Amino acid sequence: GEEVAQTPKHLVRGEGQKAKLYCAPIKGHSYVFWYQQVLKNEFKFLISFQNENVFDETGMPKERFSAKCLPNSPCSLEIQATKLEDSAVYFCASSHFRRAYEQYFGPGTRLTVT
Amino acid sequence: GQQVMQIPQYQHVQEGEDFTTYCNSSTTLSNIQWYKQRPGGHPVFLIQLVKSGEVKKQKRLTFQFGEAKKNSSLHITATQTTDVGTYFCAGGFTSGTYKYIFGTGTRLKVLA
Repeated sequence: GEEVAQTPKHLVRGEGQKAKLYCAPIKGHSYVFWYQQVLKNEFKFLISFQNENVFDETGMPKERFSAKCLPNSPCSLEIQATKLEDSAVYFCASSHFRRAYEQYFGPGTRLTVT
Repeated sequence: GQQVMQIPQYQHVQEGEDFTTYCNSSTTLSNIQWYKQRPGGHPVFLIQLVKSGEVKKQKRLTFQFGEAKKNSSLHITATQTTDVGTYFCAGGFTSGTYKYIFGTGTRLKVLA
């Protein structure tokens, strides 16, 4: 598709529950990025992929967060044992290998942890 | 650690006035990007600057990258109500890694 798709749009989880977010990058894009945005600002880089390989994961809190991009499947971001501070909008972005810096963002998934 | 600060945090202008947001990094950047996020929306890529002292224009928007590659600015001439949104800079610290540290954003409100 011509747009990055993210599902679900909203997700509510009780503290300690698991949350799984999905991202379908634009067809033909090789790079996928995940960001966390809290309080309408404060974008935090989490992880990037080049195809199915992790490219940079220096932003990931590895003890509870994991992410995958498998062939022929949407990419996923999973949070085990959610905490209140995980409440945020999670954006996925993708880019083409020829212009990898030009990231196209999806509409985001709003995660609310209660 | 690598930080990118952006000022001002908020800016209200009358329609037709100019607007500028500034971005400063604690360390030298490899490149810098600018994004616009409308209220309730997602960031939209505007431009990337790579060269020291680079200036690029897009209609009423002028982007500058400082000589030392530690700061950048976005200037909008004669703002319109369609310019409303939050403008983010995003600094790239290492060439080729495609990891960007976002600034805190400047929220622009344009009063008609």
